[in-house]
Parts: sequence; C-alpha cells; structure tokens
Amino acid sequence: EAQLVESGGGLVQPGRSLRLSCTTSGFTFGDYAMSWVRQAPGKGLEWVGFIRTKVYGGTTEYAASVKGRFTISRDDSKSIAYLQMNSLKTEDTAVYYCCVYGEVDYWGQGTLVTVSS
Amino acid sequence: QAVVTQEPSLTVSPGGTVTLTCGSSTGAVTSGHYPYWFQQKPGQAPRTLIYDTSNKHSWTPARFSGSLLGGKAALTLSGAQPEDEAEYYCFLSYSAVRVFGGGTKLTVL
Repeated sequence: EAQLVESGGGLVQPGRSLRLSCTTSGFTFGDYAMSWVRQAPGKGLEWVGFIRTKVYGGTTEYAASVKGRFTISRDDSKSIAYLQMNSLKTEDTAVYYCCVYGEVDYWGQGTLVTVSS
Repeated sequence: QAVVTQEPSLTVSPGGTVTLTCGSSTGAVTSGHYPYWFQQKPGQAPRTLIYDTSNKHSWTPARFSGSLLGGKAALTLSGAQPEDEAEYYCFLSYSAVRVFGGGTKLTVL
C-alpha cells in the first residue's frame, strides 16, 4: 500500500524559509512525478508545482504564485520529495499535500504551514 | 495565469442527477487540458474521481462520469447518494502549468 507522509510544517515568520519533506513507501518512487498541492484554511485547492521523473529530466514546474521562491526536489534513493519554501508570505499559510495523481492516486495527510509574525 | 471556473454550489436530491461544469478563461476546454475531477470531504485529503476527461479509478462509483460538454469539462452524477456530499474540484493542464478550479460544494438534500 502506498504511503506518503509530509513533515516539516509549523509556524514561521514572514520572510523566513521552511523545507517540507514527503517520505514515501509502497510504490516505485522513481517512476512517478511528484506534486505539491496546498489548501489555505477554509479555501480551495491550489496547485503548487511538480517534479518530473529522472527519465524526463527531473525538471520542475511551478505556479506563478510561488515561482522563484519555492523549489521542489527529489531523492530517488530515499524515496523522498522536498519542497523548499523561501521568502514566505502570510498568504502561503496552508496545509501542504504531496501527491501522485493520474493513473494512480496517492496523497499524504498534509502538513500545516503557518506564516505569521 | 488561466482561471478555471466552477459553480460555487449545487444541490441534488437523493437519487437525482446533477452535472458540474468546469470552464477555462482561455477558451474551450478540450481533451488537451487533461481534465481531472477531485473529490474532497471535510477533514480528508482530496482523491481523484476522474482523470484525462473520462477515465475512472477502481474506487470511482459507476454513478460518476466525466465528459466534455459545450466547451467545458463536465462531471455528471447520476443517482446521487448521501455520501456524495462533498467539495468537487476541477483541474486543468495548460502546458507546464496546472490550475484548480475554485471548487463546487455539492449538497445532497
């Protein structure tokens, strides 16, 4: 059974950085693009970005709202995906999910990031 | 960035039929947008109901179907059940970028 567990969330001041991890098991991590989706409290889903598999160059794509501030990476040897978040803003406050979607559908339980002074 | 539009809320009677739609600010939604439909219940992570316009997962109840209708992506629920009450999100691909719709809160009443 596929499992995705996000960690690294918490309270952070505006302008600071935070790195989220998505630790996975139960599927061949290297075969799948890994995505991040967030949800502000009481709001809808927002696509953050994704990283392609090494076969497709391991390249990344980002939403305009986070481009230049957030970086997604992956460590296929550890089956972990990362979301490095820099220059955080109050509007980045959300539950952050890592996920794989498409012909398979795997989601973590989410980790809450609160950006506040 | 493109804007994806959905009905904010819809109500359907138990056993009834309802269609949720998903439009794009850039024009007609096509199969090239690879439309997805996600279902999210309170306190839970989302899960995919439909991908690539009309493909279902093993857990997708047969009463849900996806299609393209009048320049939009559509999710049709035929024979609504109380457990179908949830938020439904459309998701479209624009080349490299993906965009969620604002979600439709479906009430079964």
